[in-house]
Amino acid sequence: DTGVSQNPRHKITKRGQNVTFRCDPISEHNRLYWYRQTLGQGPEFLTYFQNEAQLEKSRLLSDRFSAERPKGSFSTLEIQRTEQGDSAMYLCASSTGLAGEQYFGPGTRLTVT
Amino acid sequence: AQSVAQPEDQVNVAEGNPLTVKCTYSVSGNPYLFWYVQYPNRGLQFLLKYITGDNLVKGSYGFEAEFNKSQTSFHLKKPSALVSDSALYFCAVRDTTSGTYKYIFGTGTRLKVLA
Repeated sequence: DTGVSQNPRHKITKRGQNVTFRCDPISEHNRLYWYRQTLGQGPEFLTYFQNEAQLEKSRLLSDRFSAERPKGSFSTLEIQRTEQGDSAMYLCASSTGLAGEQYFGPGTRLTVT
Repeated sequence: AQSVAQPEDQVNVAEGNPLTVKCTYSVSGNPYLFWYVQYPNRGLQFLLKYITGDNLVKGSYGFEAEFNKSQTSFHLKKPSALVSDSALYFCAVRDTTSGTYKYIFGTGTRLKVLA
């Protein structure tokens, strides 16, 4: 068990560019979550996968954001046409079972200039 | 709608003293409740959870929390604080009866344990 990993750890991009982040969950975990965290706030739910199915997506998530989890393994989060307001830490977490605790990755810090 | 409140941005406590970090929640049904800790430059780590059963749950590093349904609270406690407990603590809730998979996190409470 190597934990949840996320790549890249840091990303600096210019406004209007597209970015993609990757999350590798703990291998036996079937549930995967994406969150966004800004300074002074707790993690904010973005979307949730059970295996390869995306079962829930936050209403706050604009259509510039898309996530996939092909084959129920790793997941990617893409942000198109980035805006300065997208600057945040993007966290991935995985879990197993209906009430399993989440294991978080170290996050990807996005800075949009 | 689900919500979580952590009313204190920061809690200061002397080493060796008991500590409490407060959390109240609002859900329409039965909650799953969690506490996580975040150390500087590290990811969130699970501390403990309440699913059902005994209202007092014990977790990692000597922490415990008490679920109080009438007060809709889930306060985190430790009998004797350590300097190494200094970190950012988050309470989270999931409503199990509304069909959502979403976890709502509080804004966090910074715990500072003074030597």
